[in-house]
Amino acid sequence: GQSLEQPSEVTAVEGAIVQINCTYQTSGFYGLSWYQQHDGGAPTFLSYNALDGLEETGRFSSFLSRSDSYGYLLLQELQMKDSASYFCAVPTSGTYKYIFGTGTRLKVLA
Amino acid sequence: DAMVIQNPRYQVTQFGKPVTLSCSQTLNHNVMYWYQQKSSQAPKLLFHYYDKDFNNEADTPDNFQSRRPNTSFCFLDIRSPGLGDAAMYLCATSRDNNQPQHFGDGTRLSIL
Repeated sequence: GQSLEQPSEVTAVEGAIVQINCTYQTSGFYGLSWYQQHDGGAPTFLSYNALDGLEETGRFSSFLSRSDSYGYLLLQELQMKDSASYFCAVPTSGTYKYIFGTGTRLKVLA
Repeated sequence: DAMVIQNPRYQVTQFGKPVTLSCSQTLNHNVMYWYQQKSSQAPKLLFHYYDKDFNNEADTPDNFQSRRPNTSFCFLDIRSPGLGDAAMYLCATSRDNNQPQHFGDGTRLSIL
């Protein structure tokens, strides 16, 4: 089967750095996306990695290792507004569907 | 400049009373998706369209149907809503396979 696993919850303080991991098991691989979702809101796209390595976008970076079937989202200089759920997602082979990870709830403390 | 627009944001219906949720997009994307999301869970795919080609998930209840009359619009029809159908319904689009998805703000459905 196809699945993506994430930690259910991560807590950190303002100004800190936090890493949210995602391990995946898929038949075929085309890339790993990350989405942020605030309570009551819709998911918003953060990043996409198709190739191994680190992609940086401001305070957020995303990393992919295809050989390890693993990726992570790195959030630096945490702010209270970063408190949200974060989902990793992969497109599935031969379809236009995406599989979402279990989601990680990030709590940022003052 | 909303690109994926869902109406209404909040919908209340009665148990068993048909309801339709709507989604429109200004992105001209080929693929449109409907997801159901319940509290503290990941979005669950119900259907997706590539252009007019409809794809139904095997575990999507028969109670749920969808229409895509043109590129810009997509509808989710719930024929006889039950209490378990109360959830956030998310519409999303993507240009093609392996492209990021763009989500609407969602419609939160409540069942009385």
